[in-house]
Amino acid sequence: QSVLTQPPSVSEAPRQRVTISCSGSSSNIGNHAVSWYQQLPGKSPKLLIFYDDQLSSRVSDRFSGSKSGTSASLAISGLQSEDEADYYCAAWDDSLNGHVFGGGTKLTVL
Amino acid sequence: EVQLVESGGGLVKPGGSLKLSCAASGFTFTNFGLNWVRQAPGKGLEWVASITKSGTYIYYSELAKGRFTISRDNAKSSLYLLMNSLRAEDTAVYYCARSRSEYCSGGGCYSGYYGMDVWGQGATVTVSS
Repeated sequence: QSVLTQPPSVSEAPRQRVTISCSGSSSNIGNHAVSWYQQLPGKSPKLLIFYDDQLSSRVSDRFSGSKSGTSASLAISGLQSEDEADYYCAAWDDSLNGHVFGGGTKLTVL
Repeated sequence: EVQLVESGGGLVKPGGSLKLSCAASGFTFTNFGLNWVRQAPGKGLEWVASITKSGTYIYYSELAKGRFTISRDNAKSSLYLLMNSLRAEDTAVYYCARSRSEYCSGGGCYSGYYGMDVWGQGATVTVSS
């Protein structure tokens, strides 16, 4: 059971917009920066978003991040087939004194 | 080109030891903290350990405490993970990842706080008899 809770899967049609949620607590998301990663099949993870809503370099502006209280979200607009991947949120956790990752969300572009 | 290349993975028996290495190139090694993150087959990402750019602050996950040791050699631009008392559940791909920047507060500094922006290709560790 991950400290950060993500839906196991989401799906949406091409050119549409999808949102992936990440729920935590005051010991992590509520008081610390959230990052988002994309992992394409068979590849290493790639940083998409850091410090809640900052786009990492060379990442398409179709990706955006937001945070409210103890929850964060990753939005992907104009969905493309190449966006099919696993997406992970992450944050520092005071109780564990370390980083925690969400369980990951598999995005399917229908 | 900014790059991290892991090595040292392999097959090891339960209770055995293994040392992973991560060679960095294309950036000033001493300016960045580093992390180890692992991924068991078919599972999600799991943070293992972090070390700040100075090496002063080191953090371990519960799974790593007392068994794993993270270290760095700035002269060799290399990061290491020494793993002892290995168990079957340690079987995973181990990634080396660079911290985008560090966050310092309350007398401590935290590597990877603002994200991990460069990842290696991973080293596969299999623990089996």
